[in-house]
Amino acid sequence: NAGVTQTPKFQVLKTGQSMTLQCAQDMNHEYMSWYRQDPGMGLRLIHYSVGAGITDQGEVPNGYNVSRSTTEDFPLRLLSAAPSQTSVYFCASSYLGRGNSPLHFGNGTRLTVT
Amino acid sequence: AQKVTQAQTEISVVEKEDVTLDCVYETRDTTYYLFWYKQPPSGELVFLIRRNSFDEQNEISGRYSWNFQKSTSSFNFTITASQVVDSAVYFCAVPWAGNQFYFGTGTSLTVIP
Repeated sequence: NAGVTQTPKFQVLKTGQSMTLQCAQDMNHEYMSWYRQDPGMGLRLIHYSVGAGITDQGEVPNGYNVSRSTTEDFPLRLLSAAPSQTSVYFCASSYLGRGNSPLHFGNGTRLTVT
Repeated sequence: AQKVTQAQTEISVVEKEDVTLDCVYETRDTTYYLFWYKQPPSGELVFLIRRNSFDEQNEISGRYSWNFQKSTSSFNFTITASQVVDSAVYFCAVPWAGNQFYFGTGTSLTVIP
């Protein structure tokens, strides 16, 4: 049971570079989301999706782009990396519900932008 | 809007002591769920418990127990007879608009052997 798989685990970028963080889940979850974790700030929602072809912005969407072409995959794109995007990124998925379905998290991607 | 406050940033206890992690939440929803997650030093996020706003009974699972009080908007987490393996960051969370979770800033627990 793979659950939620994120790649890569670590990444170093230079300012201005672009990259895509990959996320895949095999639990047939309708809902997928991206969070970033920064010291002292908990986890903050970047973007989320309630199904293939549907995405929406979370609390901190600027500088990030997402798409959802399949139920399984939800990549996060950094368009032009900035040092402020240095963070740990988590992908999470769950069944679509009324707030009663726990999020299942990937193992995270530690991104450093120099 | 939802809000979760975990006022304790860091806690240290000696092994076998009991420890309580506080969580105070705000929500506009009349029915809602509350969650606790654990993040051990290895970094993954592990779901611990979910409670709904209808059920204010305390829940116990082994050494873990949760005290939910709707009147004070609190959902506190107690570890009895703490162990070194309990050392982790613990997050309280409340969902809004269905699946969007709002997380507290976390409490870092260190259990000293």
